[in-house]
Amino acid sequence: QSVLTQPPSVSGAPGQRVTISCTGSSSNIGTGFDVHWYQQLPGTAPQLLIFGNTNRPSGVPERFSGSRSGTSATLAITGLQAEDEADYYCQSYDGRLSSSVFGGGTKLTVL
Amino acid sequence: QVTLKESGPVLVKPTETLTLTCTVSGFSLSNARRGVSWIRQPPGKALEWLARIFSNDDKSYSTSLKSRLTISKDPSKSQVVLTMTNMDPVDTATYYCARMGIPSAIDAFDIWGQGTLVTVSS
Repeated sequence: QSVLTQPPSVSGAPGQRVTISCTGSSSNIGTGFDVHWYQQLPGTAPQLLIFGNTNRPSGVPERFSGSRSGTSATLAITGLQAEDEADYYCQSYDGRLSSSVFGGGTKLTVL
Repeated sequence: QVTLKESGPVLVKPTETLTLTCTVSGFSLSNARRGVSWIRQPPGKALEWLARIFSNDDKSYSTSLKSRLTISKDPSKSQVVLTMTNMDPVDTATYYCARMGIPSAIDAFDIWGQGTLVTVSS
């Protein structure tokens, strides 16, 4: 059982907007620790998508955005494209565990 | 160009000790506010953080695996080494090393290695 909770799957048609939630607790996201998001394309290593809740690394399209509120965070993808089909993971730090923690991952299917 | 590459055995037997090496290039393990973490992913499952080490030799381990893990670094070789004792078939996974070092988000993993699949079986 992951410390951070994500929906197992989400889907959307090309061009649509989808969101992926990441729910934590008072010992991680709720304390104010940053949330980061990763995209893992099939058969490849994860890549950083969003860092520090809302920031995109160079090269990541503006279609990807992140937000954080309370004990949760959200990844939003607008203008969905076939190439966005991947697994998405959130990550934060847990003060009680003194560890980095990941969500269970969300599989995005582009219909 | 920053790269990380994992190396180690592809097959280990139960109860054996696993030693993995992460060789980095494009940055120094001695640079301030830089670190390297190990993360694993069992087949078809989620990512799990294992351990990290920073340039000042500050180390941290997963609470659940702390008794089995040791992380170290050799800046002269640009290598970070992870050992995991008493391997079990449930430890079968792809093991990744990843850099930590975004100044405003020190615990984010900005560059990842390609990963190495380790199978535990007799």
